[in-house]
Amino acid sequence: KQEVTQIPAALSVPEGENLVLNCSFTDSAIYNLQWFRQDPGKGLTSLLLIQSSQREQTSGRLNASLDKSSGRSTLYIAASQPGDSATYLCAVPGGSSNTGKLIFGQGTTLQVKP
Amino acid sequence: GAGVSQSPSNKVTEKGKDVELRCDPISGHTALYWYRQSLGQGLEFLIYFQGNSAPDKSGLPSDRFSAERTGGSVSTLTIQRTQQEDSAVYLCASSLMGSPQHFGDGTRLSIL
Repeated sequence: KQEVTQIPAALSVPEGENLVLNCSFTDSAIYNLQWFRQDPGKGLTSLLLIQSSQREQTSGRLNASLDKSSGRSTLYIAASQPGDSATYLCAVPGGSSNTGKLIFGQGTTLQVKP
Repeated sequence: GAGVSQSPSNKVTEKGKDVELRCDPISGHTALYWYRQSLGQGLEFLIYFQGNSAPDKSGLPSDRFSAERTGGSVSTLTIQRTQQEDSAVYLCASSLMGSPQHFGDGTRLSIL
């Protein structure tokens, strides 16, 4: 059974710092891995999706890496800003394809202080 | 609409009552998902609809929970005889097959 873990559960940093969020999964036979952002009282917004054949994906100040063999992914946020404050979740498909349910980690709640 | 729409945004009801939660997916999206987000359990899958295929109901926690999707579009999640442990945010998502899921803002359900 696939399990997804995120460390740390919460993180507080001063504005401008670079930071890394961690995600690990127990079954390396994943089709892809996705990082989401959730603001309080809102749904999830997809940030980055890494296919199993890829090592990393970049979008602006965000860079996500994937190491399937070790069951790990990281989300790197460069030059953090107060607007980055949110909960970040990683998720993998629950089956052997890219369709169907997602299995989520518990999330990392990030606070960036001005 | 431009995104996934869920209604109501908030629902407060008494223990034992039935509730219905609605999801309007993005037009043209063939896949629709329901998830539940609670403090102790994080985000959990409930049910998945894909086109005309039989839904994947493997995440429904009990037979008090059911969902239907009419005409391949709007979906309703029904919880019968609600219990306090049903209090959570219920999130709906839709997607094209094999594409990233787009989420609504959820329905916050509180059982008194």
